Amino acid sequence: DQQVKQNSPSLSVQEGRISILNCDYTNSMFDYFLWYKKYPAEGPTFLISISSIKDKNEDGRFTVFLNKSAKHLSLHIVPSQPGDSAVYFCAVLDRGSQGNLIFGKGTKLSVKP
Amino acid sequence: DGGITQSPKYLFRKEGQNVTLSCEQNLNHDAMYWYRQDPGQGLRLIYYSQIVNDFQKGDIAEGYSVSREKKESFPLTVTSAQKNPTAFYLCASRRLRQGVNTEAFFGQGTRLTVV
Repeated sequence: DQQVKQNSPSLSVQEGRISILNCDYTNSMFDYFLWYKKYPAEGPTFLISISSIKDKNEDGRFTVFLNKSAKHLSLHIVPSQPGDSAVYFCAVLDRGSQGNLIFGKGTKLSVKP
Repeated sequence: DGGITQSPKYLFRKEGQNVTLSCEQNLNHDAMYWYRQDPGQGLRLIYYSQIVNDFQKGDIAEGYSVSREKKESFPLTVTSAQKNPTAFYLCASRRLRQGVNTEAFFGQGTRLTVV
């Protein structure tokens, strides 16, 4: 059963607007969460992370929100740019498996000019 | 420049052949990982290693083998026992520090196609 779920396979947004990508997890013991961005035929690149002691972390146009009670996190991109078009993966650090990262299936974001 | 290098970028294999994918990092990271990406499947963990000469199976290890003879290197062999080897393979590494959360860095990937 999936421990990290990204229920929207794709998202289309107009340039300049906000993009909101969502992620749900099942294990309340998870305490470190990451977002990666991936272009086709390339490796994922780290975007932003958040520890469970916080509920928000911001880096430029990217903000990650964490709702521990709902076991939900979201990535906000404001304003969205065409270069943001990529697949975004949510990941959690699983300390129970010696610190491996568990990834969701990804959400493909398309930002239209 | 520090980073992770995967080679080759594209690899073609005949059915029944073993093939080895290279992964080298000069980041002095302790842990190294191999993931497989299939369309709509996200990244699935094949094998991982946290220390030289030690490695563990991930979620989909069947048909694969690895070695960790050096800290910098973590090659993956796709054997003939792997039923569906055509995929995009990603190597990653991560610094391990007690009490510190760290992110994983990825290589550029190897596209393996069985012909």
